[in-house]
Amino acid sequence: QMQLVQSGAEVKKPGASVKVSCKASGNTFTSYHIHWVRQAPGQGLEWMGMITPGNGATYYTQKFQGRVTMTRDTSTSTVFMDLSSLRSEDTAIYYCASEKSATYYFDFWGQGTLVTVSS
Amino acid sequence: QTVVTQEPSFSVSPGGTVTLTCGLSSGSVSPSNYPTWYQQTPGQAPRTLIYNTATRSSGVPDRFSGSILGNKAALTITGAQTDDESDYYCVLNMSGGGYVFGGGTKLSVL
Repeated sequence: QMQLVQSGAEVKKPGASVKVSCKASGNTFTSYHIHWVRQAPGQGLEWMGMITPGNGATYYTQKFQGRVTMTRDTSTSTVFMDLSSLRSEDTAIYYCASEKSATYYFDFWGQGTLVTVSS
Repeated sequence: QTVVTQEPSFSVSPGGTVTLTCGLSSGSVSPSNYPTWYQQTPGQAPRTLIYNTATRSSGVPDRFSGSILGNKAALTITGAQTDDESDYYCVLNMSGGGYVFGGGTKLSVL
């Protein structure tokens, strides 16, 4: 089964960017989609977008288009989520989650990365 | 902007049955939305309960079941246990691409 290990907590100032990594192991990285989901303190889950490591294709929800970039490094089975122009409302736990191609659900989740945006 | 609706909170007695629902602000939920249900306890990542409307994820007790009821997806817990006290989220795949989560239901078992 897939294991996803994310990078550690980050503290950023408003206007800065943050890059969170998600390293996959245990299954064929390139036959999955990797999704990013965030959760603000005390709030619900919010889907941000996805990347297909096999070909690098990305899909971002409209809310984050222009501010988010998802990339991958197939040599290390790692995907990255870069969020720019940070504001206080971006303070959240960011999760990566895997979807085996065309199964339409997120089967394995990373442990989450807390990003705090504060001046 | 598509909104996925869930009951904000629900309460059930131990041993009782509860049905949580997942709807769309406009239109009906269908199997082509691939409704998925997640359970989340504080401080933990979500856990997959039900996917593709009604398929239980590995290791999920059979007291959890999924279905389409009317124009909504539904998660039914039959014989609720105190351990089931959690937040429950549904997520739908949208025809234009992408996914939208519901706001979540906080379930109390008491």
